[in-house]
Amino acid sequence: EIVLTQSPATLSLSPGERATLSCRASQSISSYLAWYQQKSGQAPRLLIYDASNRATGIPARFSGSGSGTDFTLTISSLEPEDFAVYYCQQRSNWPSCFGGGTKVEIK
Amino acid sequence: EVQLVESGGGLVQPGGSLRLSCAASGFTFSSYSMHWVRQAPGKGLEWVSYISGPGGTRYYADSVKGRFTISRDNDKNSLYLQMNSLRAEDTAVYYCARGLKAAAGTLDYWGQGTLVTVSS
Repeated sequence: EIVLTQSPATLSLSPGERATLSCRASQSISSYLAWYQQKSGQAPRLLIYDASNRATGIPARFSGSGSGTDFTLTISSLEPEDFAVYYCQQRSNWPSCFGGGTKVEIK
Repeated sequence: EVQLVESGGGLVQPGGSLRLSCAASGFTFSSYSMHWVRQAPGKGLEWVSYISGPGGTRYYADSVKGRFTISRDNDKNSLYLQMNSLRAEDTAVYYCARGLKAAAGTLDYWGQGTLVTVSS
């Protein structure tokens, strides 16, 4: 089974700053990685699929990169609505799985 | 507009059973794979189960294999999760989600979830 490890667990930043979130897979998953955003009390929202493709309606400040075992979600300039928890998820092998999440909080 | 509405959650005793439903609208249900994902209180997301559009292919997380069964009724635009032999650790909000057509293992629309509490 594949394990996804996200780092850091918490990222404390100010609006306007750049956020860089990491997701590492225990074995190669090619580019089969997605990123989701979840705000408190809400369902998750798909941001990025297959490592670098923005989902419909997602602003250009969100970008994804990586392949194999190392992946990055970058938010180029944090907006107030971007403070949330972010999860990565792999679809390379069944069972699918999520990473433990990174909380982006206001500094 | 794509809509997914879960129902069927509630309080159940350990060892008991519960059946969750997810009513889908706004898209051609039979053309899309579907998933169940859960989230224990204050914890992260856990993928639970997958079913293909026609219903012939199903996958489960190891934590629920042999106890949970995913199914669908494409005539009724509905997804189900039959949960048996429930344990305290199954307590969570259960979300149904649609698989992205170009990448079935990716979840592009989610319901708002239904809470399952397993406790005596």
